[in-house]
Amino acid sequence: QKEVEQNSGPLSVPEGAIASLNCTYSDRGSQSFFWYRQYSGKSPELIMSIYSNGDKEDGRFTAQLNKASQYVSLLIRDSQPSDSATYLCAVTSTGGGNKLTFGTGTQLKVEL
Amino acid sequence: GAVVSQHPSWVICKSGTSVKIECRSLDFQATTMFWYRQFPKQSLMLMATSNEGSKATYEQGVEKDKFLINHASLTLSTLTVTSAHPEDSSFYICSVSPHGNTEAFFGQGTRLTVV
Repeated sequence: QKEVEQNSGPLSVPEGAIASLNCTYSDRGSQSFFWYRQYSGKSPELIMSIYSNGDKEDGRFTAQLNKASQYVSLLIRDSQPSDSATYLCAVTSTGGGNKLTFGTGTQLKVEL
Repeated sequence: GAVVSQHPSWVICKSGTSVKIECRSLDFQATTMFWYRQFPKQSLMLMATSNEGSKATYEQGVEKDKFLINHASLTLSTLTVTSAHPEDSSFYICSVSPHGNTEAFFGQGTRLTVV
């Protein structure tokens, strides 16, 4: 079974610090990788997408992908209390078209 | 991105009744839409892929006769939970992936409570 693994947390960081969220996946053929933010009671919101090895930066967010290690991460710089949410890692499946497999999410708490 | 509208946001129904949830793609024509279910403290689980003008494709373990999907137009897909029971209480969310891209954009979700 194709799986996406995340530490459930909660991950607590002080305001202004860097939050590091990690995700591993089992399907070596996966080509597309996404990070979603989900506030409690709300639907997921796309934060970052990454398709090739290396880093991709967008504002305070940096996604990192290492296909050889089957590992994708999200760094949040200058963390704010408004970043407190659950972050979901999602991966496309080999031969699955646009179907996404989600991890269980990491709860992030940014403390004042 | 894509703008997806889902209705209703929440619904409470009696056990044994049916509930219809609508998912609308507001800014592009979606030949495919996806329906997910999320139980508390769990991740999103894909239930089915809704295909415009043809039958939906259901994931393993999802009862197609219980979760009826209709995708009659390029902007609207509906999910009907038939004969709902308390164990069907969950957060149902639809998504679209515009222009063949794999990025998924979600509706607001529907909180279903069956009493």
